[in-house]
Amino acid sequence: QITLKESGPTLVKPTQTLTLTCTFSGFSLSTSGVGVGWIRQPPGKALEWLTLIYWDDDKRYSPSLESRLTITKDTSKNQVVLTMTNMDPVDTATYYCAHVVYGSGSYRFDPWGQGTLVTVSS
Amino acid sequence: DIQMTQSPSSLSASVGDRVTITCRASQSVSKYLNWFQQQPGKAPKLLIYAASSLESGVPSRFSGSGSGTDFTLTISSLQPEDFATYYCQQSYSTPYTFGQGTKLEIK
Repeated sequence: QITLKESGPTLVKPTQTLTLTCTFSGFSLSTSGVGVGWIRQPPGKALEWLTLIYWDDDKRYSPSLESRLTITKDTSKNQVVLTMTNMDPVDTATYYCAHVVYGSGSYRFDPWGQGTLVTVSS
Repeated sequence: DIQMTQSPSSLSASVGDRVTITCRASQSVSKYLNWFQQQPGKAPKLLIYAASSLESGVPSRFSGSGSGTDFTLTISSLQPEDFATYYCQQSYSTPYTFGQGTKLEIK
């Protein structure tokens, strides 16, 4: 059974750096075709794809946020870390991590973690 | 970026109805199209991948079709637990963009 869980601060101040950790079990991030992605959702709004790291350390970022995002993995700890710099109140959202696997002609985002709400406020 | 546009944005229907949600991509995404269901306060759940493949454990009343730029999600007979928000997502090229969502409400 694959599970993921996000952890990190629930409140950050404007201009601060956010660090979130996705801790997972049930798969290895050294397996070919596997990745972990981050997606966020502002309250009452739609999902926004942020970034993805693959088993081979290939990293992809949303162009609109690329200058502020860094994704890394620690395969031995089964963790993926997301860093977002220069936080702003518009970055207030629930942040999700998800297991990603390529197969059967698609990249499947399943399952997702429960999400963690991050509020940006002074 | 590939833009994903869903229609309608909201929909009222009754238990037992057949409903269809449409997703259009701003350029071809082949069959790299996922559909998700999100209940209030919960994480999204994958329903359909590769445009028409049903995720394991998902009821057969859900089906997907399409390729290129135009896709549909159909629920053949609405059940009470189906009232939720639905999102499409393209996984053809990064950023793997989502549609704006379709909220399915009880009539």
